[in-house]
Amino acid sequence: GAGVSQSPSNKVTEKGKDVELRCDPISGHTALYWYRQSLGQGLEFLIYFQGNSAPDKSGLPSDRFSAERTGGSVSTLTIQRTQQEDSAVYLCASSFTSGEETQYFGPGTRLLVL
Amino acid sequence: SQKIEQNSEALNIQEGKTATLTCNYTNYSPAYLQWYRQDPGRGPVFLLLIRENEKEKRKERLKVTFDTTLKQSLFHITASQPADSATYLCALSASNYQLIWGAGTKLIIKP
Repeated sequence: GAGVSQSPSNKVTEKGKDVELRCDPISGHTALYWYRQSLGQGLEFLIYFQGNSAPDKSGLPSDRFSAERTGGSVSTLTIQRTQQEDSAVYLCASSFTSGEETQYFGPGTRLLVL
Repeated sequence: SQKIEQNSEALNIQEGKTATLTCNYTNYSPAYLQWYRQDPGRGPVFLLLIRENEKEKRKERLKVTFDTTLKQSLFHITASQPADSATYLCALSASNYQLIWGAGTKLIIKP
């Protein structure tokens, strides 16, 4: 079956603009994660969705970042008023549930803020 | 604060030899640990999970050990092949659903 997909694969934007990143998880997976990966750094947790529960937003670095997950499936990560330090690869992962479940990752969106 | 360390320098191994990667952690008692492989331009791919009460786990040419006293996990690839060249990430459970990730070690297998 289809894996996790993300779009766009690459995004170049100007400082101060808003961007939206999309993630389509594997069908039937109830858990969805957003991470940020900067060069030479480990994956930085951003936000976690599980079913209809309130998301864990504790990893969002500032109030310029927000995410939603509609209908328990597709998720959108929005970054408002982008800054150069937001440049990174944004990865989405889904899993069947949570706990010890394997996380399946999308290919990521490479964001460059000029 | 919690900290995970993986060798930041690339590891160069001759084809056919065993590659050993290290993951050390401090201020932490994870219930389990996972290893992932990441190729350039791709997302990480799950390889193995080992729980705190398990000493060793094997899958084909892969072996993972978990020493909770030393706070260390070792990841071995035996009979290494150029196709094993990638970055390998370790991730430790921080909660029921959250993982804390190392920065990864780049492995290069030379023919």
